[in-house]
Amino acid sequence: DQQVKQNSPSLSVQEGRISILNCDYTNSMFDYFLWYKKYPAEGPTFLISISSIKDKNEDGRFTVFLNKSAKHLSLHIVPSQPGDSAVYFCAASAKGGDAGKSTFGDGTTLTVKP
Amino acid sequence: DAGITQSPRHKVTETGTPVTLRCHQTENHRYMYWYRQDPGHGLRLIHYSYGVKDTDKGEVSDGYSVSRSKTEDFLLTLESATSSQTSVYFCAISVYNEQFFGPGTRLTVL
Repeated sequence: DQQVKQNSPSLSVQEGRISILNCDYTNSMFDYFLWYKKYPAEGPTFLISISSIKDKNEDGRFTVFLNKSAKHLSLHIVPSQPGDSAVYFCAASAKGGDAGKSTFGDGTTLTVKP
Repeated sequence: DAGITQSPRHKVTETGTPVTLRCHQTENHRYMYWYRQDPGHGLRLIHYSYGVKDTDKGEVSDGYSVSRSKTEDFLLTLESATSSQTSVYFCAISVYNEQFFGPGTRLTVL
């Protein structure tokens, strides 16, 4: 049973518009959530995170929203830029756990068209 | 940049041969991890280490072993490679609640 799901394998948006990437989780013990971005032939890089005590975290063009009751989080990128084209992974870790042992979703490939 | 390097970056090997992948970090981090990533899938944890000679299994550890005799090096060994172990392998370190990944090793088992 996959505990972290990214149901959209791909997303295409126009430059300047908003990109919304979604992630659902099933494990109620998860209390820390992260988004990573990955370019081809490179390792993933940390993008933004959110603790379960918050419902929103913002960093520049990137905002993550957490809805604990729905076990759902989303990453908003505004405005989207062609350089944002990458695979985005959602990850979650459990209370008191090691964030390095996060459970990852399968990723969403974002394409931003000029 | 967390100073993580992986070697080799690419390797092609034959079924049944042993393979060792190396992860090297320069910043004395305690926590190190090995993941594999397969097409259409996220990263899955193979093994991890919380210090020298302190290692444990992740969710997909069968067929893999690790060793950490020095803080800076974390080795992943496939004792007898199989085609199902064809994958991209990432090493990572963790700092507070973030992970930093190496550039990956693409392993093909024929």
